[in-house]
Amino acid sequence: SQTIHQWPATLVQPVGSPLSLECTVEGTSNPNLYWYRQAAGRGLQLLFYSVGIGQISSEVPQNLSASRPQDRQFILSSKKLLLSDSGFYLCAWSVGGLSNQPQHFGDGTRLSIL
Amino acid sequence: DQQVKQNSPSLSVQEGRISILNCDYTNSMFDYFLWYKKYPAEGPTFLISISSIKDKNEDGRFTVFLNKSAKHLSLHIVPSQPGDSAVYFCAASDSNYQLIWGAGTKLIIKP
Repeated sequence: SQTIHQWPATLVQPVGSPLSLECTVEGTSNPNLYWYRQAAGRGLQLLFYSVGIGQISSEVPQNLSASRPQDRQFILSSKKLLLSDSGFYLCAWSVGGLSNQPQHFGDGTRLSIL
Repeated sequence: DQQVKQNSPSLSVQEGRISILNCDYTNSMFDYFLWYKKYPAEGPTFLISISSIKDKNEDGRFTVFLNKSAKHLSLHIVPSQPGDSAVYFCAASDSNYQLIWGAGTKLIIKP
């Protein structure tokens, strides 16, 4: 069966520090991968998605970036965090090459910027 | 422009009764709809989906109804259980890899 791992679960970072959140998927090949952010009391905002290694699409302008160095690895990064980057970050995967598939989520990372 | 709307931020239902969660959409190109359940500090869990060629899909206690002419879908949970207390999100897709999400409805099951 497929599993998705996301870490760390919680992170407290000072303003201006760098960020690296990692997500890996097991049990499937060539998945579509996604990074979302959920602000307090709000819905899910898609940040990035990837349909293959090195292929990244950005949905919103921001100081975050994403990379996919391996088929089942998706990384969310920032060179300098802002206070507004605080939130709950979620990684998800879906079956690659097919549309109309459910996305399956990791447990999320709670990021607090001080 | 909110393409997927969940107009009820919260809903309270007695244990054992039916819970009905509603969702409206504006994009007539959407052809695939999903419901997710989310507990605090966890990722959303996929519950059930429906293709636009159907008007109903059942899975155990969960049934999703789709009314394409009204651009409306609903999730019925029967009977409601305490463990069903969570935030429920509906989402939609237009044969794309992306999902468009509603803002969520918090369901509270009262004992």
